[in-house]
Amino acid sequence: DAGITQSPRYKITETGRQVTLMCHQTWSHSYMFWYRQDLGHGLRLIYYSAAADITDKGEVPDGYVVSRSKTENFPLTLESATRSQTSVYFCASSELQGGTGELFFGEGSRLTVL
Amino acid sequence: QQQVKQSPQSLIVQKGGISIINCAYENTAFDYFPWYQQFPGKGPALLIAIRPDVSEKKEGRFTISFNKSAKQFSLHIMDSQPGDSATYFCAAHHNTNAGKSTFGDGTTLTVKP
Repeated sequence: DAGITQSPRYKITETGRQVTLMCHQTWSHSYMFWYRQDLGHGLRLIYYSAAADITDKGEVPDGYVVSRSKTENFPLTLESATRSQTSVYFCASSELQGGTGELFFGEGSRLTVL
Repeated sequence: QQQVKQSPQSLIVQKGGISIINCAYENTAFDYFPWYQQFPGKGPALLIAIRPDVSEKKEGRFTISFNKSAKQFSLHIMDSQPGDSATYFCAAHHNTNAGKSTFGDGTTLTVKP
């Protein structure tokens, strides 16, 4: 089915471990984004990508790494997880060229760092 | 510095009532103002959006009112239903900023039957 799929949907890990959250979209949208959602903070942008091999920092990038070797995939890696990275992570995509800027979100990945 | 401020944080409305959520923005370069609706366990999804060249947009029971001079916009839900219970996010976006959207902190709406 077309859309954005995130995996895993739920993940429990320990402090210091490396974790990778996967995001795959089937629309061939140029832009992809990673947001984290925390109570009282809404949605905060971690990293975004305008195209394959082009990435840039958002509002809260520290502790995260992204890559985009293919247009459809945008994985987010926590190199050494910390408790403060316990959150719900949303991947989103949009197509600005000829589009409205509407964001299409995945269903989220809930990460717990013990 | 928060660029989009949303209020209230939570809202309880009786079935059939009007729900009103307000947002204020600072950056006059924003050119697209969407509202997203999020149900528990799901990702946000676009509900309705407006561009700054119009003052109001209505889609069914949902209306956006936009005041460019005051840099404010609001979501009105008429005849609120229990199925409208969700978290609502306002956002602001401009194409010259690499497609990034700035979100408000969200409003949790509960519609009581």
